[in-house]
Amino acid sequence: DAKTTQPNSMESNEEEPVHLPCNHSTISGTDYIHWYRQLPSQGPEYVIHGLTSNVNNRMASLAIAEDRKSSTLILHRATLRDAAVYYCILRDVSDSSNTGKLIFGQGTTLQVKP
Amino acid sequence: KAGVTQTPRYLIKTRGQQVTLSCSPISGHRSVSWYQQTPGQGLQFLFEYFSETQRNKGNFPGRFSGRQFSNSRSEMNVSTLELGDSALYLCASSLAQGSHGYTFGSGTRLTVV
Repeated sequence: DAKTTQPNSMESNEEEPVHLPCNHSTISGTDYIHWYRQLPSQGPEYVIHGLTSNVNNRMASLAIAEDRKSSTLILHRATLRDAAVYYCILRDVSDSSNTGKLIFGQGTTLQVKP
Repeated sequence: KAGVTQTPRYLIKTRGQQVTLSCSPISGHRSVSWYQQTPGQGLQFLFEYFSETQRNKGNFPGRFSGRQFSNSRSEMNVSTLELGDSALYLCASSLAQGSHGYTFGSGTRLTVV
């Protein structure tokens, strides 16, 4: 079962930053926080992951709370192409029972308005 | 480099039939996972293969099976199709078990009538 809580939907204006929250109050010390997104008619796409420190890549930034019970995916300038369902997923890669397995929740549907 | 390729993209089958779906992972990727996506249940893990062996399995009936070949290509089979098997079937590949980033294909849309 998914161990994360995300808002069902969010709206953003084009070219403005977007902060997508995720709560994971039962996170364990070995859980990594992963974000994927799914654009319409496509499979999910890996966005970013982190363990304790904030992370940046070309797609987004991941801000992780000090107690690790929540995190925020930051899209610095939303474009119409960023309209998608965003999934926040916890994964313990050291647990062999998790091999190859991502547990998806319902995610957050992001709408970007021009 | 080429992405994850799933064939066919669309499929219509009749109840009681069986179906085989194919997934070609990114070159060099040895782990292939399969997922079922439906409006009601969302994305659910089916199984994962690595080095031609099933390493993990989700909570699906035995009608759902799969295999992986020596070139890492994978197939999944669903026998005795039911209406409820209508879904988008996605496969994902990664370099190895325990990888962080999985690359998904665009899926096979299966409709059972």
